[in-house]
Amino acid sequence: AQSVTQLDSQVPVFEEAPVELRCNYSSSVSVYLFWYVQYPNQGLQLLLKYLSGSTLVESINGFEAEFNKSQTSFHLRKPSVHISDTAEYFCAVSLGGHGGSQGNLIFGKGTKLSVKP
Amino acid sequence: NAGVTQTPKFQVLKTGQSMTLQCAQDMNHEYMSWYRQDPGMGLRLIHYSVGAGITDQGEVPNGYNVSRSTTEDFPLRLLSAAPSQTSVYFCASAPRRGGASNEKLFFGSGTQLSVL
Repeated sequence: AQSVTQLDSQVPVFEEAPVELRCNYSSSVSVYLFWYVQYPNQGLQLLLKYLSGSTLVESINGFEAEFNKSQTSFHLRKPSVHISDTAEYFCAVSLGGHGGSQGNLIFGKGTKLSVKP
Repeated sequence: NAGVTQTPKFQVLKTGQSMTLQCAQDMNHEYMSWYRQDPGMGLRLIHYSVGAGITDQGEVPNGYNVSRSTTEDFPLRLLSAAPSQTSVYFCASAPRRGGASNEKLFFGSGTQLSVL
């Protein structure tokens, strides 16, 4: 069975500092990897995803994540955070198939990023 | 387009009461799903559907029923509410039957349910 581990439940950081949110997964088959973000009192939004190809993927708001198959990791990074990045971030995996349960997402427990002025 | 619409936004129930959480999407998506979000637990899949007339169980289906009579609607029914079902519930959809396998999920804004 697949599982996702987010190693930090809370990450406090000062504005303009770099940040890394860690995510490790376990699976015996190839997976697709995602980061979703949840702003206060809202639903989740896709931040970025890795399906295949380049192991470094980027979002439009400056976040990036790197797929590392040997370490089964998909850490999220941003070189300089803003107050507006304060949110909860969820790492997720899916099996990448096209039928039944293969399309379901398995989420980690989330990391709350708190950016302080 | 409204996207994924969940109603109600808030609900308080007494133990043993039944209710239905509504979810509707206007994007003609084939895949729909229900998650519950609990502090420190992330999101856990309750039920999902890959098309009208097709539903299946997720990770935590006990105490919940679903049906998919139309492409647009995917209601979640609590038959006899229990305090353990106090949670925030999210409905999510994706364009094709493959769900989130290679595309994003569109989430509703959630229903906050308290069972006393």
